[in-house]
Amino acid sequence: QSALTQPASVSESPGQSITISCTGTSSDVGGYNYVSWYQQHPGKAPKLMIYDVSIRPSGVSNRFSGSKSGNTASLTISGLQAEDEADYYCSSYTTSSTYVFGTGTKVTVL
Amino acid sequence: QLQLQESGPGLVKPSETLSLTCTVSGGSVRSSGDYRVWIRQAPGKGLEWIASINYSGSTYYNPSLKSRVTISVDTSKNQFSLKLTSVTAADTAVYYCAGRKDTAVVPAVDWGQGTLVTVSS
Repeated sequence: QSALTQPASVSESPGQSITISCTGTSSDVGGYNYVSWYQQHPGKAPKLMIYDVSIRPSGVSNRFSGSKSGNTASLTISGLQAEDEADYYCSSYTTSSTYVFGTGTKVTVL
Repeated sequence: QLQLQESGPGLVKPSETLSLTCTVSGGSVRSSGDYRVWIRQAPGKGLEWIASINYSGSTYYNPSLKSRVTISVDTSKNQFSLKLTSVTAADTAVYYCAGRKDTAVVPAVDWGQGTLVTVSS
């Protein structure tokens, strides 16, 4: 299974919004509404931010939102804050009953 | 809340077997509805899902690693383990043990802190 495709980096100023794309195939992203997003700060374990395409776990800011169209999922962060600077990974359930992660996106808050 | 802690050698020689253990606290290693998971991250690289085992003992493996990986549970020690055979430098990574409930169709919800395993002679 190949990694899902994400942009390597995204940069924006505080208070602005960014959208990170995550492109897969009909065997993963396009085939299931089981896309999730993780935030990872340097040296830390990843943290679940979105699951089932658009659902936020308890405690995650409503500035984070997710969506999906066809084989591409997206994570939007609105009102960008310095603490949002991190790596972000998408993930999808696959037809093999396994999971595949995205290539990762480094978000920089200018 | 579930707590997970990885343990094992930090250095493994090429062609040998990498063995890691994850100790579960705050819950049973085989609670109904639970999945136990291994995920790794090579230095400076992305996340890679390795394997999972559920509460009934069913196992799931990354197709690209399946021939070399075994995940298992030791209920007497409240631990689960990962074995990866015939390692090469490409297996150098931070290895995370993790867990989730069967109601959450995600790679993992709870994570250990990770342990770095280097493959080198």
